[in-house]
Amino acid sequence: EDQVTQSPEALRLQEGESSSLNCSYTVSGLRGLFWYRQDPGKGPEFLFTLYSAGEEKEKERLKATLTKKESFLHITAPKPEDSATYLCAVQTQGGSEKLVFGKGTKLTVNP
Amino acid sequence: DTAVSQTPKYLVTQMGNDKSIKCEQNLGHDTMYWYKQDSKKFLKIMFSYNNKELIINETVPNRFSPKSPDKAHLNLHINSLELGDSAVYFCASSQGSGGLRETQYFGPGTRLLVL
Repeated sequence: EDQVTQSPEALRLQEGESSSLNCSYTVSGLRGLFWYRQDPGKGPEFLFTLYSAGEEKEKERLKATLTKKESFLHITAPKPEDSATYLCAVQTQGGSEKLVFGKGTKLTVNP
Repeated sequence: DTAVSQTPKYLVTQMGNDKSIKCEQNLGHDTMYWYKQDSKKFLKIMFSYNNKELIINETVPNRFSPKSPDKAHLNLHINSLELGDSAVYFCASSQGSGGLRETQYFGPGTRLLVL
């Protein structure tokens, strides 16, 4: 069965303290890996899609990378407004091509 | 100018009742989805429709019935509500046929509480 595991479950950082979130996956065949941001009481907001190992994408203070077994979301010099839950999802080959989500990492950035 | 909208935002009801949640997207997308996010914040696909046709139907009790009157709308009707149905339900849409590498855009969610 396809599985997506995110770690840590929760992460507290001080403003400016860089860190990384992990998303590891075991799937039958990866078609794409998606990162979303979810603020409390809101729907997930799309951040990045990664398609193949070695690929990297950046947006402001966020950088997503992909290997054959995991993806990292690097947060450089975070600000309090980066506080949110970050969700990782994979789209797999075969079957219904659905998105399988991890449980998310709740990031809190203290000023 | 909301891209994916859902109504109602909150729904509180008694066990055994029947309720509906509505979703509309103005992005011109062909595929729409329903997800359930439980108390542990785990987001799971329930259904997807492409141009009014069902393409994904996960293991969901048949008390849940999606209906797509046109490709811009996907409604979710739930019969005989149970306590375990309490969750946040998200609608989403994507541009093509729900296939390879399509980005899904989510609505704000409907918070359902069954008493």
